[in-house]
Amino acid sequence: DIQMTQSPSSLSASVGDRVTITCRASQTIISYLNWYQQKPGKAPKLLIYAASTLQTGVPARFSGSGSGTDFTLTISSLQPEDFATYYCQQTYSYPLTFGQGTRVEIK
Amino acid sequence: QVQLVQSGAEVKKPGASVKVSCKASGYTFTGYFMHWVRQAPGQGLEWMGWSNPNSGATNYAQKFQGRVTMTRDTSINSAYMELSRLRSDDTAVYYCARGVGGYPDYWGQGTLVTVSS
Repeated sequence: DIQMTQSPSSLSASVGDRVTITCRASQTIISYLNWYQQKPGKAPKLLIYAASTLQTGVPARFSGSGSGTDFTLTISSLQPEDFATYYCQQTYSYPLTFGQGTRVEIK
Repeated sequence: QVQLVQSGAEVKKPGASVKVSCKASGYTFTGYFMHWVRQAPGQGLEWMGWSNPNSGATNYAQKFQGRVTMTRDTSINSAYMELSRLRSDDTAVYYCARGVGGYPDYWGQGTLVTVSS
């Protein structure tokens, strides 16, 4: 199975901050990498697919980059509604696997 | 708009089975795979497998092989996930999610399954 490792596991940030979350795969996944946002008690929401393509309706302050084994999710200016847990997911091979999550908290 | 509405919470005893339903609307049900993902309390996301509503084909994570069955009823645009021989560590929220291009895009609201004696 491909292991996905996110860093940091949690972070504290202020509204307006630029936030970067990293996801590393245990082997190459080319660009088969997605990012999800999950708020407490809610289902995950797809933000970015294929490493860098913004899902329809997702604000442009979210962006994704990377290929191979190293990927990044960036929020250019953190908004109050962005405080949540973020997960990366590889869809290169089965079983599909997720990172352990990064919790973004209010500073 | 795409909607996936799941069945309600369940409480089961160890060794029993549970069947969760997922009713789709707002898109062509047979045109997209259906993934199932679970999340134990306070934990991360775990992919269980997918079913193809058009053909009935399935692909299960090896961890669940022999215990999980994913089916569908195209007449009512519904997908189902049945998990048997339940254990306490199967306590989780179970999500269905529409699959496009190999990944889940729209998700159901989740169904809490509690396994307790």
